[in-house]
Amino acid sequence: SQQGEEDPQALSIQEGENATMNCSYKTSINNLQWYRQNSGRGLVHLILIRSNEREKHSGRLRVTLDTSKKSSSLLITASRAADTASYFCATDATRGSTLGRLYFGRGTQLTVWP
Amino acid sequence: KAGVTQTPRYLIKTRGQQVTLSCSPISGHRSVSWYQQTPGQGLQFLFEYFSETQRNKGNFPGRFSGRQFSNSRSEMNVSTLELGDSALYLCASSLYRGRDTQYFGPGTRLTVL
Repeated sequence: SQQGEEDPQALSIQEGENATMNCSYKTSINNLQWYRQNSGRGLVHLILIRSNEREKHSGRLRVTLDTSKKSSSLLITASRAADTASYFCATDATRGSTLGRLYFGRGTQLTVWP
Repeated sequence: KAGVTQTPRYLIKTRGQQVTLSCSPISGHRSVSWYQQTPGQGLQFLFEYFSETQRNKGNFPGRFSGRQFSNSRSEMNVSTLELGDSALYLCASSLYRGRDTQYFGPGTRLTVL
């Protein structure tokens, strides 16, 4: 299975602290995407990093990708209570019959306390 | 630009019934994918449509089907509903297949009684 796996499963921090979530996957990818989901709602796209990129920034978000280790990390700096949500990484296949299909991990539940 | 829209947002059905869910992609997007999310199984891929053709199918029984229209709008149908079909059904659209960001809609919450 190509499914990504996030680590940790749950993370609890205080406002203002940084939150780091990790994702590991098994096979070659085109892209890796991070999504946020507030309780029971749709997925909000955060950032896409391509297989030939090593790091991307978007506001308070920093994503790294290490294709040799098949892993990625999402760093949220200066966390806010509004960042409380589940965070998922999603990978896609490089070619073939599974092209375009996203493989999701189980997610990291982030709780940010005021 | 409007995002991905899904209708209805909530649905309650009984076992044995069938249901049709609708997804309107972002304007100009040609690929539409469907995912099922449950607490037990997480996010699982159902199928993907591009240019009105199913390109990919996940490991779901034949009761789950879908289609895409010429305007890229998509529908999915579940026949003979089972209790285990209760889930959040998410639709995602992207410009083309692979290498593009997939944008998700708010989902349809299906409850089967």
